[in-house]
Amino acid sequence: KAGVTQTPRYLIKTRGQQVTLSCSPISGHRSVSWYQQTPGQGLQFLFEYFSETQRNKGNFPGRFSGRQFSNSRSEMNVSTLELGDSALYLCASSLRQSTGELFFGEGSRLTVL
Amino acid sequence: AQSVTQLGSHVSVSEGALVLLRCNYSSSVPPYLFWYVQYPNQGLQLLLKYTSAATLVKGINDFEAEFKKSETSFHLTKPSAHMSDAAEYFCAVSDNTGGFKTIFGAGTRLFVKA
Repeated sequence: KAGVTQTPRYLIKTRGQQVTLSCSPISGHRSVSWYQQTPGQGLQFLFEYFSETQRNKGNFPGRFSGRQFSNSRSEMNVSTLELGDSALYLCASSLRQSTGELFFGEGSRLTVL
Repeated sequence: AQSVTQLGSHVSVSEGALVLLRCNYSSSVPPYLFWYVQYPNQGLQLLLKYTSAATLVKGINDFEAEFKKSETSFHLTKPSAHMSDAAEYFCAVSDNTGGFKTIFGAGTRLFVKA
């Protein structure tokens, strides 16, 4: 059974640009969550989607957005990039997010110059 | 709202020694508790989870954790550390009031000395 796949694994952007990250969950998983991981802040919850609906959102500015498609694949977008957006962005899928195990991808490491 | 506090950002043990990583949680309802491990340049993987079936939970690689409601703790232990256990460990909490999100602690980096 294939795991959670995130693309791209590494990317470099400059301030002001935008970026789109992609996540393919484990087959059959309908919940996808996104986290931002930085050395100073740890793992911060961005948002969670289930059946194309955003059910919860963390405390991030509106520059951070996401969506989920009918096949459960998800994308997140960050517009007008800032230096502080440099981080590892992790996607996790689950059968039932609130109480179930999260299966993580290896992450997309974003560097903003 | 739920929250997690991990005591100690770094823990160092000798190979063969007991591993103890501390976690305290806050939740207004019975929580679901998890320990995850992250190796360098990888995502997180589940070590074990507490879902109220038993207070002592056994996980992979001989790790176990005990849920203590009176202390709101869920400490992770392993009787004998191996070099391969060196990684970052995250305690996490989820409950039905959280609106479909899992909250993670800040993490504890475990160093294992030969």
